Amino acid sequence: EVQLVESGGGVVRPGGSLRLSCAASGFTFDDYGMSWVRQAPGKGLEWVAGISWNGGTTGYADSVKGRFTISRDNAKKSLYLQMNSLRAEDTALYHCARILGYCSSTRCSGYLDLWGRGTPVTVSS
Amino acid sequence: EIVMTQSPATLSVSPGERAALSCRASQSVSSDLAWYQQKPGQAPRLLIYGASTRATGIPARFSGSGSGTEFTLTISSLQSEDFAVYYCQQYNNWPPWTFGQGTKVEIK
Repeated sequence: EVQLVESGGGVVRPGGSLRLSCAASGFTFDDYGMSWVRQAPGKGLEWVAGISWNGGTTGYADSVKGRFTISRDNAKKSLYLQMNSLRAEDTALYHCARILGYCSSTRCSGYLDLWGRGTPVTVSS
Repeated sequence: EIVMTQSPATLSVSPGERAALSCRASQSVSSDLAWYQQKPGQAPRLLIYGASTRATGIPARFSGSGSGTEFTLTISSLQSEDFAVYYCQQYNNWPPWTFGQGTKVEIK
């Protein structure tokens, strides 16, 4: 079955760190760029970060730049999001999603054709 | 950053009626525009990409139109399973990709 399954969410104090993982199955993982998208409780979708198929191109939302790092391990068919210096406003359900499109050395362009159900992150003291 | 603005915030429609959802970009995104549907407790689902191409398995009652800064998602005859929140997303400018704030389609 073609699917993405996130894990690693939880409750963390402000200033803390968390590492999210996303396991891919049912498709050739290293054929695709990947992305993280979050959704705060009762709010809309916010794109967080994206990465090309080989990890050579990454991009971040301004709200997380310098605090979050997206990475991938193609041998393990896994995507990661290292989140540092967490803030209350980072509280959200974090989805990983597959990019259908292309990535050059400087940018990616594509839409999100496969989504995971998400892993919840709560930042609270 | 390109700002995506959706209207209306909520659309009340009777089953069988037509619904038109609007999405406006703060600058041209060409046809690099996608639409997603999200039901409560579920992940978003891709409906439309390239402004007007239906994704695999999406019924023909869903159609997208527009280019540049003005886009429309039309549902020709609303079915019970279509009541959900709909988001547009531009992927022309990166980073960041940006979503609209969503339009909730509810039963009238």
